[in-house]
Amino acid sequence: AQSVSQHNHHVILSEAASLELGCNYSYGGTVNLFWYVQYPGQHLQLLLKYFSGDPLVKGIKGFEAEFIKSKFSFNLRKPSVQWSDTAEYFCALKISSGSARQLTFGSGTQLTVLP
Amino acid sequence: EPEVTQTPSHQVTQMGQEVILRCVPISNHLYFYWYRQILGQKVEFLVSFYNNEISEKSEIFDDQFSVERPDGSNFTLKIRSTKLEDSAMYFCASSLLAGVVEQYFGPGTRLTVT
Repeated sequence: AQSVSQHNHHVILSEAASLELGCNYSYGGTVNLFWYVQYPGQHLQLLLKYFSGDPLVKGIKGFEAEFIKSKFSFNLRKPSVQWSDTAEYFCALKISSGSARQLTFGSGTQLTVLP
Repeated sequence: EPEVTQTPSHQVTQMGQEVILRCVPISNHLYFYWYRQILGQKVEFLVSFYNNEISEKSEIFDDQFSVERPDGSNFTLKIRSTKLEDSAMYFCASSLLAGVVEQYFGPGTRLTVT
């Protein structure tokens, strides 16, 4: 079965620092990859997604992620974080198969940005 | 912007009672999902639903669970006889298509079983 690992449970940064959140997955076939964000008191929102093509994908609010197939990784990056980026970030995977629907989530990384 | 809505935001029930969690997916979406997150654990897939049928379900989704689309707008999750371990945040999601598209999530219902 597929799985997603996020090794950083809580990351604390100062404003303007650069961010990289790790995401690794386990699955032998083709996958679609997502980063979702959950701001305090709000619902899960999609930050960005990778389906095929350019492994460097850009999302909303200045976030980007790079799919490295050889490393089974899909790390999230942002060059300069803001206080408003404080949230929980979830990496998720979907098997790229006609019948597959479900998202498999990582355990999440809580990001705290200090003003 | 259209949103998925869920009611109630918090439900407290006694063990053994039936609960129904309600969701209103985005109006033109065709695929519907339930996920849950037990406190401190990962968000886990429960079930997906399309064309009035379950299209995929996890091993968590046993006979105690059922889903229904009783009318053109609501999508419900029923737990027949709740257990303490059913306490979790339950998220509904919907998507326009099944393939490489985003699932839009609702704000969740926190279920507490006492």
